[in-house]
Amino acid sequence: KAGVTQTPRYLIKTRGQQVTLSCSPISGHRSVSWYQQTPGQGLQFLFEYFSETQRNKGNFPGRFSGRQFSNSRSEMNVSTLELGDSALYLCASSLALRGETQYFGPGTRLLVL
Amino acid sequence: SQQGEEDPQALSIQEGENATMNCSYKTSINNLQWYRQNSGRGLVHLILIRSNEREKHSGRLRVTLDTSKKSSSLLITASRAADTASYFCATELQGAQKLVFGQGTRLTINP
Repeated sequence: KAGVTQTPRYLIKTRGQQVTLSCSPISGHRSVSWYQQTPGQGLQFLFEYFSETQRNKGNFPGRFSGRQFSNSRSEMNVSTLELGDSALYLCASSLALRGETQYFGPGTRLLVL
Repeated sequence: SQQGEEDPQALSIQEGENATMNCSYKTSINNLQWYRQNSGRGLVHLILIRSNEREKHSGRLRVTLDTSKKSSSLLITASRAADTASYFCATELQGAQKLVFGQGTRLTINP
């Protein structure tokens, strides 16, 4: 099976712009989670989707949003970008909502100038 | 604050030696997972250990879980240069699906 794929892999934006990142889970996986990784804060949970519904959300401002489509693919959007949004954004998929291994994609590295 | 805290933050050993990393957490968990990350790339899943398990093995990896002490350890035996990476423990909290990560241990294997 193909692994989790994320596009784009690298992105450069300027402050105030918005960005959309995409994640395709492993075939058959219905749960998709998003994480932000920065040197200062480490890996932090953004949100999680299952069957097109957001099931859990981390402590991030409303500028961060996401959605999941009927084919389980997911997108996350960050509006009004700030310098501090520069990070590696990781997507993970799993078979079920709980208790299963989460498989991570290679990430999208976002640089905000 | 982070649910998982890892110790040590950095570890440097010679190839062939064993490496042990520890993880402590604060609240009840469904499971604990160990991941490896090379140079800011994606996370590679190593082992998942459930709260009712005490030990699991996978190749050169051995993971233990002590729920009474809220701690876990990852042992890598006969280390290789390719094991150089950051290792993270992540806990799945009871009642939530999200993973809470520790800050990681940076492991360097010297040839």
